[in-house]
Amino acid sequence: GNSVTQMEGPVTLSEEAFLTINCTYTATGYPSLFWYVQYPGEGLQLLLKATKADDKGSNKGFEATYRKETTSFHLEKGSVQVSDSAVYFCVLRRLRDDKIIFGKGTRLHILP
Amino acid sequence: DARVTQTPRDKVTEMGQEVTMRCQPILGHNTVFWYRQTMMQGLELLAYFRNRAPLDDSGMPKDRFSAEMPDATLATLKIQPSEPRDSAVYFCASGLGSGTGSHNEQFFGPGTRLTVL
Repeated sequence: GNSVTQMEGPVTLSEEAFLTINCTYTATGYPSLFWYVQYPGEGLQLLLKATKADDKGSNKGFEATYRKETTSFHLEKGSVQVSDSAVYFCVLRRLRDDKIIFGKGTRLHILP
Repeated sequence: DARVTQTPRDKVTEMGQEVTMRCQPILGHNTVFWYRQTMMQGLELLAYFRNRAPLDDSGMPKDRFSAEMPDATLATLKIQPSEPRDSAVYFCASGLGSGTGSHNEQFFGPGTRLTVL
């Protein structure tokens, strides 16, 4: 079946550190992949997306590359800020029926 | 700036009462999703619709929950009777379904925080 596995949190880093949040998926066909972010007390919002293999999504200094050979979509940022503290969700969307599959979320704490 | 709206934003009720949550998707979006988020379970997909037809509601307790789309501008999630374990934040999201040429992202509403005493 289809599933999304992302690294468990919480992840705690110091400001300006390098961030990687791992995400792997299982799916048939060619799903679309997303990272959503949820800031404290708010709803989810799209951070970045990739719709086909080798696409790189990027936004606000974050990047993720759709790797079909490793079925991965790892989130990276070169220098994190305190304002990046949030929960990050890796998400898969099946094209044939639009079903959405969320990872469990990774809570990120950035220390000043 | 088009947004998904949800009402009410906060609801406190007593066990056994009926609860109705409403969602107005972004105009033109043809897929609508309902999610529940708790600290223990995280984010769970309850049900979703495409072109107002339910595609999957397997994540929803059938005996007490029901989801409908009376028209393209309104989605409802009802709980009857409500129980304390239903306390959570309920999110609605809308988007364009596959085949529309879109990138299929979802736009989330602000959520309804439900507390059942």
